Amino acid sequence: DTAVSQTPKYLVTQMGNDKSIKCEQNLGHDTMYWYKQDSKKFLKIMFSYNNKELIINETVPNRFSPKSPDKAHLNLHINSLELGDSAVYFCASRQSEAHNEQFFGPGTRLTVL
Amino acid sequence: GQQVMQIPQYQHVQEGEDFTTYCNSSTTLSNIQWYKQRPGGHPVFLIQLVKSGEVKKQKRLTFQFGEAKKNSSLHITATQTTDVGTYFCAVGYTSGTYKYIFGTGTRLKVLA
Repeated sequence: DTAVSQTPKYLVTQMGNDKSIKCEQNLGHDTMYWYKQDSKKFLKIMFSYNNKELIINETVPNRFSPKSPDKAHLNLHINSLELGDSAVYFCASRQSEAHNEQFFGPGTRLTVL
Repeated sequence: GQQVMQIPQYQHVQEGEDFTTYCNSSTTLSNIQWYKQRPGGHPVFLIQLVKSGEVKKQKRLTFQFGEAKKNSSLHITATQTTDVGTYFCAVGYTSGTYKYIFGTGTRLKVLA
């Protein structure tokens, strides 16, 4: 069983389009994250949600809007895609403060043309 | 934004050689985690260190947290081709934090 899943795995789209990436975790974890990994492999936190509430927003452009319909899901919607948005986006989850280990999804490779 | 430096950025070793990556912060850390990302894969949690001077071992991997809790190292003894990947540290500045800052990563290549 996949612990943290993301769809789609690959996303190729034109500049200016709007797209969404979905993430689901079946671990019963309280906290979920979105990370962006660029071509140099730098991993940067974008958002963190705890029990459906936004905890961290790391100066990400307003074009990025996360949504957590329930504790198990954290989706990422991106408006007006730009070339610089091309990257691998990882979703991750964490059980609690006492159990800090983060479980990452397989990633979504976004290519903006 | 905040950045945590890891050195070296890249390392090529012959199979059987040892490997070490270092993670450095200018600020005292609450704890530090280490992750491994295989080529084309996602980061996978290896370990967490919390106490000053802590040393933990996992088979051929040895993790150390500095006495001042500002740096950490990961040492692999007798590397194997399965060790290939990028190793990241992730630092937590405050206890119970939701936010971890990932280091710049060290890419390891092991030549058979």
